[in-house]
Amino acid sequence: DSGVTQTPKHLITATGQRVTLRCSPRSGDLSVYWYQQSLDQGLQFLIHYYNGEERAKGNILERFSAQQFPDLHSELNLSSLELGDSALYFCASSPHPDSNQPQHFGDGTRLSIL
Amino acid sequence: GDSVTQMEGPVTLSEEAFLTINCTYTATGYPSLFWYVQYPGEGLQLLLKATKADDKGSNKGFEATYRKETTSFHLEKGSVQVSDSAVYFCALPSGAGSYQLTFGKGTKLSVIP
Repeated sequence: DSGVTQTPKHLITATGQRVTLRCSPRSGDLSVYWYQQSLDQGLQFLIHYYNGEERAKGNILERFSAQQFPDLHSELNLSSLELGDSALYFCASSPHPDSNQPQHFGDGTRLSIL
Repeated sequence: GDSVTQMEGPVTLSEEAFLTINCTYTATGYPSLFWYVQYPGEGLQLLLKATKADDKGSNKGFEATYRKETTSFHLEKGSVQVSDSAVYFCALPSGAGSYQLTFGKGTKLSVIP
């Protein structure tokens, strides 16, 4: 058990809809990262929050947004969903942004767009 | 930008065989290097890491040595077990101030009895 909790585990929805993915980091971790895993693109970094503030953006679409709340949990919002958004979305946490510290991953949310 | 090149699988081995999964990287400076493992239906787990050149990371019988000269971090295990069947990812932190992970494409390992 990594200590990172992601909900829900599975989401099935239709094109055009909007969903929210939730992540609770390990106790004491201030950094939250979001990644997308798909068959064609592999594992790609989406966005990073540290102590409530956005730190870096990766290959995140404009239809996607995220935030980190005062209790440090984070939410990833995906809107106007398309078939290509079907993927596994991971959240990872670490105490601080540090190149020597590993990130700890949740079990992911599997999003299926019908 | 930073990148990781990992041998693509799938790799199928018999139990007790020797495993090597190649990983090379391109990066500015000398970042830490990580191997993560993903078992079916689960998230990524840190397998091992190395933080500087010539460091050897090891865990659960797996080893990898940080080779600055060849920019490599190959994963090895002397005798694989069926329970080692998983997808293995090589990764490095990139992006100053954020250190998000850049991953290789992953190598799927299947170990047969």
